[in-house]
Amino acid sequence: DTGVSQDPRHKITKRGQNVTFRCDPISEHNRLYWYRQTLGQGPEFLTYFQNEAQLEKSRLLSDRFSAERPKGSFSTLEIQRTEQGDSAMYLCASSFPLQEQYGYTFGSGTRLTVV
Amino acid sequence: DQQVKQNSPSLSVQEGRISILNCDYTNSMFDYFLWYKKYPAEGPTFLISISSIKDKNEDGRFTVFLNKSAKHLSLHIVPSQPGDSAVYFCAASVSNTGNQFYFGTGTSLTVIP
Repeated sequence: DTGVSQDPRHKITKRGQNVTFRCDPISEHNRLYWYRQTLGQGPEFLTYFQNEAQLEKSRLLSDRFSAERPKGSFSTLEIQRTEQGDSAMYLCASSFPLQEQYGYTFGSGTRLTVV
Repeated sequence: DQQVKQNSPSLSVQEGRISILNCDYTNSMFDYFLWYKKYPAEGPTFLISISSIKDKNEDGRFTVFLNKSAKHLSLHIVPSQPGDSAVYFCAASVSNTGNQFYFGTGTSLTVIP
C-alpha cells in the first residue's frame, strides 16, 4: 500500500455535465476526507467519513455534490450539473481517528476544469 | 471567515540560512496545529505538528513554535536547503470534533542556492 490514490488526475468537462472522482485511502485508515483547493487558497474541508458513515459535511458541499464510501473502503465524489466555479483541485485524505498529531495522508488530487 | 491566516504569500531565503514562516489563527478552540509542505502537482505532505499543551516541537531541521496568547505559530527551517522550496500550509483543528483541519492560504518558499 503506497498511499492515497486518486483517479483521475485530471478531468476536463463541459458545464452541465456530471463527473465522478474516486479515492482509495490507505487500507488501515478508517477516516477519509474530501477537500477542495482553488488557486491561491488552502484546502477547504468538504466532508469526511468514518468507515462507511458520512459524519460531517461542509456548507460548501451543495446539493449538487454527493460523496459515498460503500463498505468503508474507497470513496467517490460526484458533482452533478457542473459549473465553472467547481473548477478546482479535489483532494482526498485518510487518517486514523484521534491521531491529530500525525495529520492526514493526502492523495495527489484530481484537477477538475469545467469549460 | 478565514480562521487560519498566512499573511506572507512568498518568501525567499539563501541556502544555509534560516527560513521563518508565520501563521496566525483566530479560533481559541484550536488545540492542534500542523504544517504541510506541497510540491506542484502533488498533494500536501505532513511535515510537523504541535499540540496546544506545548510551545515548541522540533524534528531535525524543522521547529514549530506556538504562542497561544498571541494566537500565532511559526515554522523555522535551519539550515534551509534548495529542496525545501515548496508551498507551506499551516493548519489547525479542534481535537475530538472530527479531525477537520482549517488551512491557511500558504506561503511559497524559495531557497536560493
